[in-house]
Amino acid sequence: DAGVTQSPTHLIKTRGQQVTLRCSPKSGHDTVSWYQQALGQGPQFIFQYYEEEERQRGNFPDRFSGHQFPNYSSELNVNALLLGDSALYLCASSSISGNTIYFGEGSWLTVV
Amino acid sequence: DAKTTQPPSMDCAEGRAANLPCNHSTISGNEYVYWYRQIHSQGPQYIIHGLKNNETNEMASLIITEDRKSSTLILPHATLRDTAVYYCIVRSDSGGGADGLTFGKGTHLIIQP
Repeated sequence: DAGVTQSPTHLIKTRGQQVTLRCSPKSGHDTVSWYQQALGQGPQFIFQYYEEEERQRGNFPDRFSGHQFPNYSSELNVNALLLGDSALYLCASSSISGNTIYFGEGSWLTVV
Repeated sequence: DAKTTQPPSMDCAEGRAANLPCNHSTISGNEYVYWYRQIHSQGPQYIIHGLKNNETNEMASLIITEDRKSSTLILPHATLRDTAVYYCIVRSDSGGGADGLTFGKGTHLIIQP
């Protein structure tokens, strides 16, 4: 039973570019959340998707957007990248009927 | 803001029990206490959660005070691989599944050989 999987594991982008990160939830999970973790900080909640719609959103600008597909997988898109967007981006999955959230290993984004 | 307070760091000798405290004095009646840990450069790992009763699983025990204003995570026989940042999180059971988690700064637990 695969856990939460994310791709790519590492990537480098230039300021102003756009990036797409991908996530496949744990088997049996239908809800996907995204978090940003800057160096030395705890993860910060970006948004959550359920039934292909954004269900909750944290305090992040509209440059951060997402999508959930019918197979429950998800993408995080960040436009107009800033140096401050450099971080570990974590995907987490859960069941809408459950309580426990499981995290993937993350995608390291470096903006230069 | 995080609703929990944890010491920034703790040391524990290998083989001994590690007791990690967490204060959550403003916890509401429908809020659970969750513990996650994050080993360097990895995603957070779920450890345990509870509402008001003490809980135990294969990884740890969770002791919640009767007034629910604080809790302690116990790793019974700490190993070097338990060195990590441990996060205590309170979250409501909204009935609609898992809401976003609010992480604080956590406790950096260092297991000494």
